[in-house]
Amino acid sequence: TQLLEQSPQFLSIQEGENLTVYCNSSSVFSSLQWYRQEPGEGPVLLVTVVTGGEVKKLKRLTFQFGDARKDSSLHITAAQPGDTGLYLCAGAPGGNQFYFGTGTSLTVIP
Amino acid sequence: EAGVAQSPRYKIIEKRQSVAFWCNPISGHATLYWYQQILGQGPKLLIQFQNNGVVDDSQLPKDRFSAERLKGVDSTLKIQPAKLEDSAVYLCASSPAYEQFFGPGTRLTVL
Repeated sequence: TQLLEQSPQFLSIQEGENLTVYCNSSSVFSSLQWYRQEPGEGPVLLVTVVTGGEVKKLKRLTFQFGDARKDSSLHITAAQPGDTGLYLCAGAPGGNQFYFGTGTSLTVIP
Repeated sequence: EAGVAQSPRYKIIEKRQSVAFWCNPISGHATLYWYQQILGQGPKLLIQFQNNGVVDDSQLPKDRFSAERLKGVDSTLKIQPAKLEDSAVYLCASSPAYEQFFGPGTRLTVL
C-alpha cells in the first residue's frame, strides 16, 4: 500500500482567501491526480500531472508535482463557496492503479 | 454520454446479513474499480477489473467480500456476512485508460 498523507485534514476559510493543500508520500509515482468530491457524489477528476516539477493551472487552481514525483500541492486563489468539498490526491506507482490520499475537507465561508 | 450508474444509493442492514451492490460502467471502459470510502477519508481500492479479469484484489477481505464482472460490463460487489465496520460508501469507477469516472456511490449502514 502506497501511503499518501494530505495536509491539512480540515480547512475553513473566508471567501476570497488563498489556500494550499499538500499531498506527501515516501513513494515515487509515475502520475498523480487531484479530485474534488462533494457530499453524496463520487470524486471528480480535476487534473493529472506526470512530469516531475510540472505545474498545471485550471482557472484559479494551480497544481504542482514535486521534482522527485513523491509529493504534490494544490493552490487555490481567491477561494469561492463553490470550491467547498473534499480534495483528494491519488498517486499511481505505475499503470492505472491509483492509491488515494487521506483527503482535505475544505469549507469556504461566504 | 451516460455516467457510471450504481444501485442502490442507500442500504441499511443488520450485522450478519448479506448485501449486494451493482455498477454499470460507462460504455467501452475496459477498467472497473470498486472502492470503499469511510466517512471523511480517501477511497480505498477493493478490487480492479480489466475487462472481466481481476487485476488486483489484494485489499478485498475475501472471507466476506466477493465481486464479479460478467461479460466485462456490469459488476456486482457482495458482502456476506456484513460487519459493523463495513459501514461506508462503496464507490464504483470506470476508466478507458488513466482517468477514472466515479459513480455516486452506495451508502451502506450496518446496524
